[in-house]
Amino acid sequence: AQSVTQPDIHITVSEGASLELRCNYSYGATPYLFWYVQSPGQGLQLLLKYFSGDTLVQGIKGFEAEFKRSQSSFNLRKPSVHWSDAAEYFCAVAGGGADGLTFGKGTHLIIQP
Amino acid sequence: DTGVSQNPRHKITKRGQNVTFRCDPISEHNRLYWYRQTLGQGPEFLTYFQNEAQLEKSRLLSDRFSAERPKGSFSTLEIQRTEQGDSAMYLCASSLIGIGQGHHIYGYTFGSGTRLTVV
Repeated sequence: AQSVTQPDIHITVSEGASLELRCNYSYGATPYLFWYVQSPGQGLQLLLKYFSGDTLVQGIKGFEAEFKRSQSSFNLRKPSVHWSDAAEYFCAVAGGGADGLTFGKGTHLIIQP
Repeated sequence: DTGVSQNPRHKITKRGQNVTFRCDPISEHNRLYWYRQTLGQGPEFLTYFQNEAQLEKSRLLSDRFSAERPKGSFSTLEIQRTEQGDSAMYLCASSLIGIGQGHHIYGYTFGSGTRLTVV
C-alpha cells in the first residue's frame, strides 16, 4: 500500500523568502504525485502534479516541485512567498491504477511579515 | 466548466439521523471520488466510481455509509444512523482517466466539501 510522509507539521517563513515543503512517498512503482493547497474551511486546490517525463514540474501561483525517484521525494518549492500563500499544503500519491489518492497529514505554512 | 459542486455546504444533524450529500462532478469527467477529512488531518479516501460503477470501497466505509452514482452523473453519499464520530468534512472529487498504455489522469478536481456536524 502506498503512503505519504510530510515531516514538517508547521513551517514559518518570512514574506519574500524562499520556501521548500518536504514530501516523501512509498510506492513500489512509478507513482502519480500531487500537491494541493487548502485554505481554512475550503476545498483543495491543485497546485501541480507529476505523472511522467520531466522531473521538474511547474504549477500555479509560482510553485514548482521536483520528483526524485532515488530519494522517493516530491518536494514543493517557491522562490519568494507572499502573505496569501499562508495555508495548509498536502502532498498526495496515487498508484498505477489511478484510483484513490493517499494524502500526507499536511504542512501548515505561516507567513511572517 | 463550473468545477465540482457539493451540496449542502454545511449540515448539522442529531445523532441517529440519516443524512445525504450530493456531488455534481465536472461534466466530462468519468471518475468520481468521495473522501473524508477530519480536523488536522489529510483527506482519507472512501470510495470511487468509474461512470456508474462503484469500483472500490475503503475499509473506512462502514455499512452505515452508501454511495450511488446513477447514470454516471451526480453522486450521493448517505450516512445512516449518524454517530458523533462521523463529524467531518466530506469531499468529492472528479477526474478524467484515459486508459491506454497505463492510466493517464487528466485533472483531479475537488469540490468545496460538505461539513457535517453530528450533535
